Formats: sequence, C-alpha cells, structure tokens
Amino acid sequence: GNSVTQMEGPVTLSEEAFLTINCTYTATGYPSLFWYVQYPGEGLQLLLKATKADDKGSNKGFEATYRKETTSFHLEKGSVQVSDSAVYFCALSGGSSNTGKLIFGQGTTLQVKP
Amino acid sequence: DSGVTQTPKHLITATGQRVTLRCSPRSGDLSVYWYQQSLDQGLQFLIHYYNGEERAKGNILERFSAQQFPDLHSELNLSSLELGDSALYFCASSVDAQGRLFFGSGTQLSVL
Repeated sequence: GNSVTQMEGPVTLSEEAFLTINCTYTATGYPSLFWYVQYPGEGLQLLLKATKADDKGSNKGFEATYRKETTSFHLEKGSVQVSDSAVYFCALSGGSSNTGKLIFGQGTTLQVKP
Repeated sequence: DSGVTQTPKHLITATGQRVTLRCSPRSGDLSVYWYQQSLDQGLQFLIHYYNGEERAKGNILERFSAQQFPDLHSELNLSSLELGDSALYFCASSVDAQGRLFFGSGTQLSVL
C-alpha cells in the first residue's frame, strides 16, 4: 500500500542555517504530495503541496520539489528561524485510491536555537 | 484558527469505559477525517466520512466507531478503553478530495 518515510529527528539547527528534511514515498498511480507543520499544542497546518511530477511547492521560504524518478519530496529552507521550530510531516494523497485521505510520515521534529 | 472545532480538549477516563469525541467541521466542508496520533504509531488514519456516508476506513479498531450527522458534525466513539488507546485524536475537514485538510486542535485522551 501507499506509504511515506521521513528522516528521523530531532533535527537541531542554529538560526539562519540551511534546512533539509528528507521524504520518500511509495504509491501506486499519481499521488499528490504535501508538507504539513504542527506547532506545539496545535493541529496540523498545510505548509505546501505539489500535485504532479516536477512541481515545486513553496510557502514561507520553504520549498519542496516532486521528484517522481526518485520518489522523493524533500523539504528545504535556506535560512531557518527560531519560529520554525515545530514538527514537520510529509504526506501523500490520491494515487490509485483517491478519497482525499492523507497518509503521513512519522514526522520530524525541528529545533532551531538562537 | 482552522475553523474545525473539537471537544473536549482533554479527557481522562479509566480502562473499560466509553467516551465520545466530537468534531464540527469548517462551514461548507462535507468531508470529515479522524486521525489518531501517538508517540509509537505516529499519525494513523482512522476513518473518513463524506456528507454522512462512510468513505474509507483505516486502522480503526472494532471497539471504535464513528458517524457523521445531517448537520455534518461527527462523533468518534471509543469503547472498552485500554491503556494503549491513550493518544491525541484529531479531526480534519475538507471541501474536496485534493488532500488539503484543515485540522482541529485535537482531543487528548488519557486512559488510566
């Protein structure tokens, strides 16, 4: 079945460092890919998405490119801030079974220190 | 504020008991999804309802059931509770099947 694998955390960075969180997926058909973010004590929020191969999703300085050849959707940011500290989830939707439900990776905790 | 309301925010109960978690979706959203978040299992999809009908089931135990009412709010019923059911339960809603979900802030269930 469909699945998502993320790099394990926590990831600890200093402010203004470069961020990469790796995400790979397994899916039949043509899924859409997402990054969601969860701040402490809150529900998940959509950060960015890409719906087809080679699409780049971007928001708030974060970017991720849908790579079908490597089945990856790595999250990047050029300069992180303390306020980016949160848990980041890679997810997929659709493929051969499109009910709109999301399959999530296990989440990666990001800690940014001043 | 996502527009999705979940009640209660916290629930403490004992093993063997039954609880009901409630979710009000965003205005206009017909789909409601339930997820369970725990440290060992991560975010697990439980069930999806669309306009009152069950659309998809995930890793939902037989002791758990859900429904969506005509006013589109949804309830997740958990019975014969076990210690391992302690988790954060999220509800999410969406207007379409494109994967953009709006999450509530969750119900933290503690089974003692």
